[in-house]
Amino acid sequence: QVQLQESGPGLVKPSETLSLTCTVSGASISSYYWSWIRQPPGKGLEWIGYIYYGSTNYNPSLKSRVTISVDTSKNQFSLNLSSVTAADTAVYYCARRPSSSWSIGPISYYYAMDVWGQGTTVTVSS
Amino acid sequence: EIVLTQSPGTLSLSPGDRATLSCRASQSVSSSYLAWYQQKPGQVPRLLIYAASSRATGIPDRFSGSGSGTDFTLTISRLEPEDFAVYYCHQYSSSPPWTFGQGTKVEIK
Repeated sequence: QVQLQESGPGLVKPSETLSLTCTVSGASISSYYWSWIRQPPGKGLEWIGYIYYGSTNYNPSLKSRVTISVDTSKNQFSLNLSSVTAADTAVYYCARRPSSSWSIGPISYYYAMDVWGQGTTVTVSS
Repeated sequence: EIVLTQSPGTLSLSPGDRATLSCRASQSVSSSYLAWYQQKPGQVPRLLIYAASSRATGIPDRFSGSGSGTDFTLTISRLEPEDFAVYYCHQYSSSPPWTFGQGTKVEIK
């Protein structure tokens, strides 16, 4: 059974860097897209970015401040978000998306993010 | 960036009713890459539908997804008390960024 667990400081000061880690158990860190998603209080979901076999892709609105990395030896991946402000206060989730697909005739179909961590609340405040 | 617009913002229905939720994309989305999630207060989003119409493991068959191009629909055939929640559509195309709709709240009338 695959489980994801986010960890990191719950309080970060403005202008500092938010750092979170997602520990993956029950699955190899390879062969999947590993994403970070956030949800500000009372608002919707925002995709932050993913890492896949060491290659990353980020939300353009956050790209200048975001770094996602992976530590395969620990089966973990991490999020760094620099120069945070109060607008970065949110619940941060990590999630897995399988990279496999299946085909019906000429059309391929793909799995979505199916396993999520429980989420960790990060507050940006002095 | 593909913008997903969900409607209505809030749907007020009774248990046993049929719920129809809409998700419209600003440009064509391959149905291979369209998902729906359910989120209850204080809980983690739960995958309901992927590839526009495939139910995730353990999801009851009263949930169904359909659509193509720019218009997608999530239908709940008969609302159960546990189905009152917020629903998000999500596209995860091969050309990021991935995006979510703003959500539709299904509330008890």
